[in-house]
Amino acid sequence: DIQMTQSPSALSASVGDTVIITCRASQNLNAWLAWYQQKPGNAPRLLIYKTSKLESSVTSRFSGNGSGTEFTLTISSLQPDDFATYYCQQYNNYPLTFGGGTKVDIK
Amino acid sequence: QVQLVESGGGLVKPGDSLRLSCEVSGFSLSGHFVSWIRQAPGKGLEWISYSSASGDIRKYADSVKGRFAVSRDNAKSSVFLQLNSLRVEDTAVYFCVRHGCSSEWCELDYWGQGTPVTVAS
Repeated sequence: DIQMTQSPSALSASVGDTVIITCRASQNLNAWLAWYQQKPGNAPRLLIYKTSKLESSVTSRFSGNGSGTEFTLTISSLQPDDFATYYCQQYNNYPLTFGGGTKVDIK
Repeated sequence: QVQLVESGGGLVKPGDSLRLSCEVSGFSLSGHFVSWIRQAPGKGLEWISYSSASGDIRKYADSVKGRFAVSRDNAKSSVFLQLNSLRVEDTAVYFCVRHGCSSEWCELDYWGQGTPVTVAS
């Protein structure tokens, strides 16, 4: 199985900050990496797919980058609606696997 | 609009069975793989199974292989997950999730709201 390691597991930030979340895979993902946002009591929501493609209706303040085994999610100009938990997920191999999550809360 | 609505969750005892249903609307089920993903209380996300677009290919995580079975009825726009020999560690919210293309190698673009399953004696 491909192991996905996210860092940090939690962070505190202020409205307007830029936040970067890192995801490392135990093997090459060939860019098959997605990012999801989840708020308490809700299902995850797709933000980014194939490393850097923005899902339709998702604000351009979210961006993805990376290659091989190292990937990042950047949230620019953090807004109150962005405080949530973020997960990376690989779909290069089965079983699909997710990172442990990064909780972004208000400083 | 695309919707997936799960039902069938509940409180059961270890060893019991449950059948989860996922009714979809807003798209043609026959054009998409569908996965089931679960989330234990306060924990992360775990992929457990998929059904191919036609239903002829099914794949399972090792943690549920031999106990869970996925099926679908494209004519009724529904996907099912049969949960047998349930264990306490199967306690989770179960999400039905659409693949964003007609292949297993896709992002997961639409999620249902989830149905909770609690296994306790």
